[in-house]
Amino acid sequence: AQRVTQPEKLLSVFKGAPVELKCNYSYSGSPELFWYVQYSRQRLQLLLRHISRESIKGFTADLNKGETSFHLKKPFAQEEDSAMYYCALNSRGAQKLVFGQGTRLTINP
Amino acid sequence: EPEVTQTPSHQVTQMGQEVILRCVPISNHLYFYWYRQILGQKVEFLVSFYNNEISEKSEIFDDQFSVERPDGSNFTLKIRSTKLEDSAMYFCASSGGRVNQPQHFGDGTRLSIL
Repeated sequence: AQRVTQPEKLLSVFKGAPVELKCNYSYSGSPELFWYVQYSRQRLQLLLRHISRESIKGFTADLNKGETSFHLKKPFAQEEDSAMYYCALNSRGAQKLVFGQGTRLTINP
Repeated sequence: EPEVTQTPSHQVTQMGQEVILRCVPISNHLYFYWYRQILGQKVEFLVSFYNNEISEKSEIFDDQFSVERPDGSNFTLKIRSTKLEDSAMYFCASSGGRVNQPQHFGDGTRLSIL
């Protein structure tokens, strides 16, 4: 069965501090991993996908198949990063996203 | 930038009544999805739709649920006889012409069953 675990429901850091939002997955095949972000009163937006290997808004995420993780990182948090972050998995050939519980990130000034 | 649009933003319905949630996917997208999020819980997949038929559905998507693409632009989710536990945020999403393309989400419809 596919499962995505985000162990932290809430994460609070100070502006300028590094941020790491954890995501672990369970899937026997070759998954595709995503991070979605939901800012206050806005829709779910795609932030990153692992196959793109790009940095968006200073965020990066590396797929670690050995640890079955896809943690989201940013070296210096900004106040506008405060949002709900969801890790999601899409198995190859399937057409559904399996979401984690989400982590609410709060950046304190 | 094109967006997925959903109407209404909030729907209040009596238990046992039928409800139809509407979505307009991004115009050149071919895959359509419905997800729901019960308050305090994770976003859950309901159904995917491609080429005018359901391609995958979850165990949540029972006989009370149906989807339809009545014309070239709308994609609807119908709940035949609503229950209290159907109260949730319902998200529509769409993706492009190939499998595993990123899904783009609408703002959601908050469904409240009384």
